[in-house]
Amino acid sequence: EDQVTQSPEALRLQEGESSSLNCSYTVSGLRGLFWYRQDPGKGPEFLFTLYSAGEEKEKERLKATLTKKESFLHITAPKPEDSATYLCAVQPADSSYKLIFGSGTRLLVRP
Amino acid sequence: DAGITQSPRHKVTETGTPVTLRCHQTENHRYMYWYRQDPGHGLRLIHYSYGVKDTDKGEVSDGYSVSRSKTEDFLLTLESATSSQTSVYFCAITYGSGTDTQYFGPGTRLTVL
Repeated sequence: EDQVTQSPEALRLQEGESSSLNCSYTVSGLRGLFWYRQDPGKGPEFLFTLYSAGEEKEKERLKATLTKKESFLHITAPKPEDSATYLCAVQPADSSYKLIFGSGTRLLVRP
Repeated sequence: DAGITQSPRHKVTETGTPVTLRCHQTENHRYMYWYRQDPGHGLRLIHYSYGVKDTDKGEVSDGYSVSRSKTEDFLLTLESATSSQTSVYFCAITYGSGTDTQYFGPGTRLTVL
């Protein structure tokens, strides 16, 4: 069964304290892996798409990496405005439209 | 901003009443999706559309129907709302083919009493 697991469920960091969020997945072939950011009361906001193992993408303090079994979202020197829920989703190779989402990691960055 | 609006943004209704949620887009996107988001379950696909009058079921479609008579509008209907359908509903679009990144609207919070 296709599955996405994100860890930890919640993470508290001090401003400037770097860390990583994990997204483990089980799919029968990967078409793409997506990271989103979601603020309270809002829709998910697209961050990155990764397509193959070894691929990396960066945006400001965020860097996403991909292996054959998992993806990491590295947050370098976070700021309070990085506080949000981060969602991971995978698109199986056998489905053009289907996205399987994890439950997310709630990140709180304290000043 | 993917040019998506959802209405209403909040709704409280009673069990057994019909409810229709609207997703409106202004950029002529072909593919549109309805998801629900619940604590502990993440986002789950209800229905999707790949063109006017072309729709298909997602993983949690029971109790929901959809219609797309115009490119810009994708309607989600709960024929007889139940408390288990209390959730936050998101509409999404893709810019190109169905395999492209999905972009989400602001959501509708629905409470069924």
